[in-house]
Amino acid sequence: AQSVTQPDIHITVSEGASLELRCNYSYGATPYLFWYVQSPGQGLQLLLKYFSGDTLVQGIKGFEAEFKRSQSSFNLRKPSVHWSDAAEYFCAVGGYQKVTFGTGTKLQVIP
Amino acid sequence: ETGVTQTPRHLVMGMTNKKSLKCEQHLGHNAMYWYKQSAKKPLELMFVYNFKEQTENNSVPSRFSPECPNSSHLFLHLHTLQPEDSALYLCASSQDERTTDTQYFGPGTRLTVL
Repeated sequence: AQSVTQPDIHITVSEGASLELRCNYSYGATPYLFWYVQSPGQGLQLLLKYFSGDTLVQGIKGFEAEFKRSQSSFNLRKPSVHWSDAAEYFCAVGGYQKVTFGTGTKLQVIP
Repeated sequence: ETGVTQTPRHLVMGMTNKKSLKCEQHLGHNAMYWYKQSAKKPLELMFVYNFKEQTENNSVPSRFSPECPNSSHLFLHLHTLQPEDSALYLCASSQDERTTDTQYFGPGTRLTVL
């Protein structure tokens, strides 16, 4: 069975600082991997996705993620965080027909 | 209006009430989904429809009854709910049902069962 672990429930960073959100997955084959963001009162929005090819994936809003097969990880990064990035971030893993989401990491940005 | 819309945004109901959640997508997609989002739990897929046909029911209790009259509209009919059903219910759509298709989410309906 596929699963996703986001070990950090809550992260606080200063505006302008770099950010890394962790995601580990379990899946028996090459996974499809996603990062979504949910702002307060909003639904989830896709930031980026990995299916194959280059393991470093660029997304919207200046985010990127790197697929590391050896570590079963797909961590999300941003070099400089803006106050508007405060939201909840969800990692997801998919097989051919099903997507499984993690429990989310809530990001707080302080001035 | 564009994207995926959901009504109502907030709903409070007693355990004996009957209510319905509505989802509408304006993206020309063929697949629609209902998810349940509870605090500190992963997003739970409830139902999937593709071309108006239900393709997945993820062991959801019968007090939740979905309806998909066409590819643009999806309903979730609620009756005799329990307090543990209180959650954010999200609707999503995608071009088709493949994992590789990006899902577009609505803002959700915050449901409180008293």
